[in-house]
Amino acid sequence: EADIYQTPRYLVIGTGKKITLECSQTMGHDKMYWYQQDPGMELHLIHYSYGVNSTEKGDLSSESTVSRIRTEHFPLTLESARPSHTSQYLCASSAPPLSSGSYNEQFFGPGTRLTVL
Amino acid sequence: KNQVEQSPQSLIILEGKNCTLQCNYTVSPFSNLRWYKQDTGRGPVSLTIMTFSENTKSNGRYTATLDADTKQSSLHITASQLSDSASYICVVSDRGSTLGRLYFGRGTQLTVWP
Repeated sequence: EADIYQTPRYLVIGTGKKITLECSQTMGHDKMYWYQQDPGMELHLIHYSYGVNSTEKGDLSSESTVSRIRTEHFPLTLESARPSHTSQYLCASSAPPLSSGSYNEQFFGPGTRLTVL
Repeated sequence: KNQVEQSPQSLIILEGKNCTLQCNYTVSPFSNLRWYKQDTGRGPVSLTIMTFSENTKSNGRYTATLDADTKQSSLHITASQLSDSASYICVVSDRGSTLGRLYFGRGTQLTVWP
């Protein structure tokens, strides 16, 4: 199992609350990612980072924001949660390919199941 | 449009039986294809990764095949166990960006009954 951690694992909150989902990895990986996954659906990339002070939006538009102040830490924040934000959020990280033609395997955390009432 | 389609959507088999899951993709330019296992409430865990030049790869009772010409892959599970119950996700990576963008299928939900 990869050394990538997410907290909390489950979160139930009311509409309008500010929340931060934590993600940490101890592998020294430069690239980190946030995905959103609804039941029975594919993972959608919402944010990614190439390294410290680098953050980019992914394919799926999201009202969340991220920061990357330290290599190992990539938190996701929702300023004002709404029921439409109810979903599972997965964090992942990857190392650079060892050589051209190889691949950057992504290691996933256990996820945070968010429910907004 | 880059897409990954998996079939069947769900599958129920008896313990000890074999099964094969299918994946078709249109991702281009192709870099590699991965199969992940995702237990309920957990993150995906990599089973196999295959590049363009590889047409089969095994990991224990899991064997993946790749036909890059027809853009199809399969995951064969031998002698299934109760712990194989999970969602199996086909993921294709392109080599058109430094990010190595991943395209995910919706998964096949496998249930193994005793």
